[in-house]
Amino acid sequence: SYELTQPPSVSVSPGQTARITCSADALPKQYAYWYQQKPGQAPVLVIYKDSERPSGIPERFSGSSSGTTVTLTISGVQAEDEADYYCQSADSSGTFVVFGGGTKLTVL
Amino acid sequence: QITLKESGPTLVKPTQTLTLTCTFSGFSLSTSGVGVGWIRQPPGKALEWLALIYWDDDKRYSPSLKSRLTITKDTSKNQVVLTMTNMDPVDTATYYCAHRQGDYGSGVNYFDYWGQGTLVTVSS
Repeated sequence: SYELTQPPSVSVSPGQTARITCSADALPKQYAYWYQQKPGQAPVLVIYKDSERPSGIPERFSGSSSGTTVTLTISGVQAEDEADYYCQSADSSGTFVVFGGGTKLTVL
Repeated sequence: QITLKESGPTLVKPTQTLTLTCTFSGFSLSTSGVGVGWIRQPPGKALEWLALIYWDDDKRYSPSLKSRLTITKDTSKNQVVLTMTNMDPVDTATYYCAHRQGDYGSGVNYFDYWGQGTLVTVSS
């Protein structure tokens, strides 16, 4: 089955830059999307189509793509950014939706 | 304003069939390009996509669960129903429905509005 690979955890100090990666073979062909999920809450879309930011999402959230890896970057991390982050994409044919295993961002 | 809300049983027994309903507002499933998806999350684990239905009744299912899932829509009621057969304790999870956004036919599918989720426990 097709999988998106994320690191289980990332830790940063407040004010620093956090980078969360997501890797898969089909990412050069398919867009990636990123969701933030805080405990007990539904996921929130923070990045779509690799690097677009929905309205209402702070500018410190950005996305990029290079080959088989996409990256969510959070600049000037704040305590409120501590959450689980999930990437999402599609298989190479674009038929199915796939989520990554999630990355827990800890703000030290 | 788009809102979605999941409803259904909170407890099901093993081997039973689960039926969940997503009731939404702020959009219509008869509008071209619109879709609704189901995603679940076992306690402490990752999100897992289950199914997706489009305005034209095109349906997509997770390959690993396809044999157990059925997704339908009732446009007049603004509802999408997901059924999952032969429930097992490993299916214990919070089940979310979400509004699908993207470009139909190009593999561009993502979820910009989510329901609050409903926890379903499978236990005898």
